[in-house]
Amino acid sequence: GQQVQQSPASLVLQEGENAELQCNFSSTATQLQWFYQSPGGSLVSLLSNPSGTKHTGRLTSTTVTKERRSSLHISSSQTTDSGTYLCAIDRSNMGYKLTFGTGTSLLVDP
Amino acid sequence: DAGVTQTPRHEVAEKGQTIILKCEPVSGHNDLFWYRQTKIQGLELLSYFRSKSLMEDGGAFKDRFKAEMLNSSFSTLKIQPTEPKDSAVYLCASSLGGKNTLYFGAGTRLSVL
Repeated sequence: GQQVQQSPASLVLQEGENAELQCNFSSTATQLQWFYQSPGGSLVSLLSNPSGTKHTGRLTSTTVTKERRSSLHISSSQTTDSGTYLCAIDRSNMGYKLTFGTGTSLLVDP
Repeated sequence: DAGVTQTPRHEVAEKGQTIILKCEPVSGHNDLFWYRQTKIQGLELLSYFRSKSLMEDGGAFKDRFKAEMLNSSFSTLKIQPTEPKDSAVYLCASSLGGKNTLYFGAGTRLSVL
């Protein structure tokens, strides 16, 4: 079965609203990363958060390792936040073999 | 500094053709990855090189997919022969290694007719 599941599959917000994206994984993860992919663009690493809570700008990620889940909170969303958010875990403990979820597609309307 | 460069951006092939996709990693990066991205399967790892040595050959993708890294600044992914199910976006990524940040190229969108 799918090792990394993301929800919701898609989300539509009005500018200024907050977004909460979820990532659940079925095996122990030694590394967890969130990526952003702009429409038709390349993937960009947002942050790495294998456990605990991390902040960067308007993004907050909380990972509960024992419960095998992570969330990405986007505060005060902007139209430029539109795109796909991907969660990826590394099961190998070698830092390279990332398994990706299929992503959450976010659309922020003005 | 230049990021990861992939060429071509778009490729259209007839079934049975051989195509070669190219990737230039970030200068100084030791790890290079090839991924395939589709809407249904998401990102799937095809190949992984560490310091030019092939560490992972993608299992199910072995038969018709071959990645090479002849030098530290250039890699190719050959698909031979192509099939319509190979239509996808092929992404190349590089990193310094270990748990360092992964940098992705813009991808090559392949359509096989």
